Amino acid sequence: TQLLEQSPQFLSIQEGENLTVYCNSSSVFSSLQWYRQEPGEGPVLLVTVVTGGEVKKLKRLTFQFGDARKDSSLHITAAQPGDTGLYLCAGGNTGTASKLTFGTGTRLQVTL
Amino acid sequence: ETGVTQTPRHLVMGMTNKKSLKCEQHLGHNAMYWYKQSAKKPLELMFVYSLEERVENNSVPSRFSPECPNSSHLFLHLHTLQPEDSALYLCASSHALGASLGEKLFFGSGTQLSVL
Repeated sequence: TQLLEQSPQFLSIQEGENLTVYCNSSSVFSSLQWYRQEPGEGPVLLVTVVTGGEVKKLKRLTFQFGDARKDSSLHITAAQPGDTGLYLCAGGNTGTASKLTFGTGTRLQVTL
Repeated sequence: ETGVTQTPRHLVMGMTNKKSLKCEQHLGHNAMYWYKQSAKKPLELMFVYSLEERVENNSVPSRFSPECPNSSHLFLHLHTLQPEDSALYLCASSHALGASLGEKLFFGSGTQLSVL
């Protein structure tokens, strides 16, 4: 069974601070997705990374896929209250086209 | 607005009740999914449909019964549930199968289910 552990589980920071969320596994994934879920809503896809070592930027968010494709990180620069939510990573593999393995989640609270 | 609509948003039911969750997507997608989101547990895939045919059933108890009458609609019929089934039930769709290969999933807002 493939597992994705996210750390930290909870993070409460003030507006303007930087933060990094980690997504780790002992298994290799062919792709890694990051989602953000706001209270009362479903997850929304932020990014997909597919190449080991790949770095993608989405405004103030920087996503990295580990060289060995077993881990990933999400870095947020100058966090804003609108970044508040549950961040989920999800790994996928060829051969299991429909099944993503979701991580345990990191709940982020950004206050003024 | 993601293009995936779930009803009801909240549902409270007794263990002997029968109820149904509804999902509708307006995106022209061919694949639809049911996920369960419980507190302190990762999202769990329950069922997958592609072109109205069930392609995955992840060892889900028979008290959960999915139905996909067409590619735009997905139902989850609930019968004699247990309190531990209380969770957020999320519906999702994608253009084609291949969520694990980078195919983008669009989620609905979910139905928050409480079983008493």
